[in-house]
Amino acid sequence: EAQVTQNPRYLITVTGKKLTVTCSQNMNHEYMSWYRQDPGLGLRQIYYSMNVEVTDKGDVPEGYKVSRKEKRNFPLILESPSPNQTSLYFCASSLTNNSPLHFGNGTRLTVT
Amino acid sequence: AQSVTQPDIHITVSEGASLELRCNYSYGATPYLFWYVQSPGQGLQLLLKYFSGDTLVQGIKGFEAEFKRSQSSFNLRKPSVHWSDAAEYFCAVGMDSSYKLIFGSGTRLLVRP
Repeated sequence: EAQVTQNPRYLITVTGKKLTVTCSQNMNHEYMSWYRQDPGLGLRQIYYSMNVEVTDKGDVPEGYKVSRKEKRNFPLILESPSPNQTSLYFCASSLTNNSPLHFGNGTRLTVT
Repeated sequence: AQSVTQPDIHITVSEGASLELRCNYSYGATPYLFWYVQSPGQGLQLLLKYFSGDTLVQGIKGFEAEFKRSQSSFNLRKPSVHWSDAAEYFCAVGMDSSYKLIFGSGTRLLVRP
């Protein structure tokens, strides 16, 4: 089954403790992206990747890192999480930059 | 700067009634336009998309949307709403030469029995 898989689904952590949210897709998509969803703000792009070893900042990249060492994986790294990064995070992939996005089921992160 | 506006935060309709969700965008050229739906606890699912051609596009679950260049709008419609349509709906705009997809803030649809 074609899918985007994010882990974990829920994560509670404390300020400053490094964490990684994994994202994997099995559709051989070139384009992958991370979004955060906050009430009243819709989805805002954090980082995106056009292919292996090619990444770029989205609209809200501060406090986040990404890597794209393999085509299927696009982990999101929070080196020193802060409470303002409490949010619902979505990974998405698509065949090209303007093909429809396929979304994972989300990761709800709480930073205390 | 490019932007997407969904002016209605919440909309409540009765089951069987018609539905129109509004979406306006700000962009200099013709963008790629999408509508996504998000059910509780789920990721977003594509309803329909417009890239070019016929300005009235059909999507899944009986939804359609019309691109009106003169109004910079891409409103989503459904002639008869079902209770299972209750969800949050997002309009999104993709730029021609960018990998950035800009989402509206969403409209939450409630369906009265």
